[in-house]
Amino acid sequence: AQSVSQHNHHVILSEAASLELGCNYSYGGTVNLFWYVQYPGQHLQLLLKYFSGDPLVKGIKGFEAEFIKSKFSFNLRKPSVQWSDTAEYFCAVNQKSNYQLIWGAGTKLIIKP
Amino acid sequence: NAGVMQNPRHLVRRRGQEARLRCSPMKGHSHVYWYRQLPEEGLKFMVYLQKENIIDESGMPKERFSAEFPKEGPSILRIQQVVRGDSAAYFCASSPRSIQGTGELFFGEGSRLTVL
Repeated sequence: AQSVSQHNHHVILSEAASLELGCNYSYGGTVNLFWYVQYPGQHLQLLLKYFSGDPLVKGIKGFEAEFIKSKFSFNLRKPSVQWSDTAEYFCAVNQKSNYQLIWGAGTKLIIKP
Repeated sequence: NAGVMQNPRHLVRRRGQEARLRCSPMKGHSHVYWYRQLPEEGLKFMVYLQKENIIDESGMPKERFSAEFPKEGPSILRIQQVVRGDSAAYFCASSPRSIQGTGELFFGEGSRLTVL
């Protein structure tokens, strides 16, 4: 069965630190890739997505992610985090052939001021 | 443009009762998805509906669970004879086209069901 793995369930960083959240998926076919974010008390919202083309995609709030097909990975990065980045981050994968999004378990990110 | 509206936000039911969760998609969105999230787990797909049609219900338990998206009114996820294992957060999302076309789902804030 297809699956999405997020390596860290909890990450604690200080402001201005660099961030990388890992995401690996198991499906070997053509996929669409997403990162969603849920800020405290808010609904899930799209951070960035990859459909095709340049494997380095840029999203909102200075986030970016790189699709490495050979590694089945789509890691999320930000060079310098802010306290307001405290949130839960979810990686999700959609096989181009169907409607389902397969989700990782999420990473809770806490930024210390 | 109002976002995806889910109600109730919190619902408490005793074992054996019925739970009805409602989802009003964003204006102009005819595609609705329901997901379930258990503690410390990612979202799990349940069902995908377009107006009056169930497109994919492969993630729905075969018994006690049903979903509809009528021509008028919100989408409803219905759980009959709830059990403690049904306690979870249920999220609804909508999109103007199939996810294969847009790639973005717009989520509601979720309905948290607690079964006593």
